[in-house]
Amino acid sequence: KAGVTQTPRYLIKTRGQQVTLSCSPISGHRSVSWYQQTPGQGLQFLFEYFSETQRNKGNFPGRFSGRQFSNSRSEMNVSTLELGDSALYLCASSLASGSFDTQYFGPGTRLTVL
Amino acid sequence: GQQLNQSPQSMFIQEGEDVSMNCTSSSIFNTWLWYKQDPGEGPVLLIALYKAGELTSNGRLTAQFGITRKDSFLNISASIPSDVGIYFCAGYGNNRLAFGKGNQVVVIP
Repeated sequence: KAGVTQTPRYLIKTRGQQVTLSCSPISGHRSVSWYQQTPGQGLQFLFEYFSETQRNKGNFPGRFSGRQFSNSRSEMNVSTLELGDSALYLCASSLASGSFDTQYFGPGTRLTVL
Repeated sequence: GQQLNQSPQSMFIQEGEDVSMNCTSSSIFNTWLWYKQDPGEGPVLLIALYKAGELTSNGRLTAQFGITRKDSFLNISASIPSDVGIYFCAGYGNNRLAFGKGNQVVVIP
């Protein structure tokens, strides 16, 4: 069974640009959660999507948004990039919404904002 | 978002030694989780704890859910080189998920 895949693995952008990251969950998993990981703040929950609906949301500004498609694949978008958005963005999938104890993480997308 | 306090931040241990790490919070959680993250990879769940006082083992790993529901600890016994990595705790409760910043473990052969 293939694991969670994220594309691209690495990305370099400049301030003010926008970026879209993609996550393909494990086959059969309908929940996708997104996290931001930085050395200073650690892992922080962004949002969770289940059945194409946002179910939970962390404390991030509106520049961070996401969506989920009918095949459970999810995308995360960050608009008007700031230097502080440089981070490893992880997605995780699970069978059901809120199943944080049975989620599997992808390898992440390393975003660098210059 | 809320952060959990993990201590110590980094540990250098001799191969074969045991290592313990702690995670504390000012809030109560219903579930405590411990993850390990290798370089270039996402976190992998090691142990999940659901009940105050619960003690759970997974091979050489043992974790406990604190009685107050505000803390948890993880112990690795007889460490081996592949135990190197960052260990994260996470707490979940009231629709809220929080993570610690991680403990960096280095095993010296």
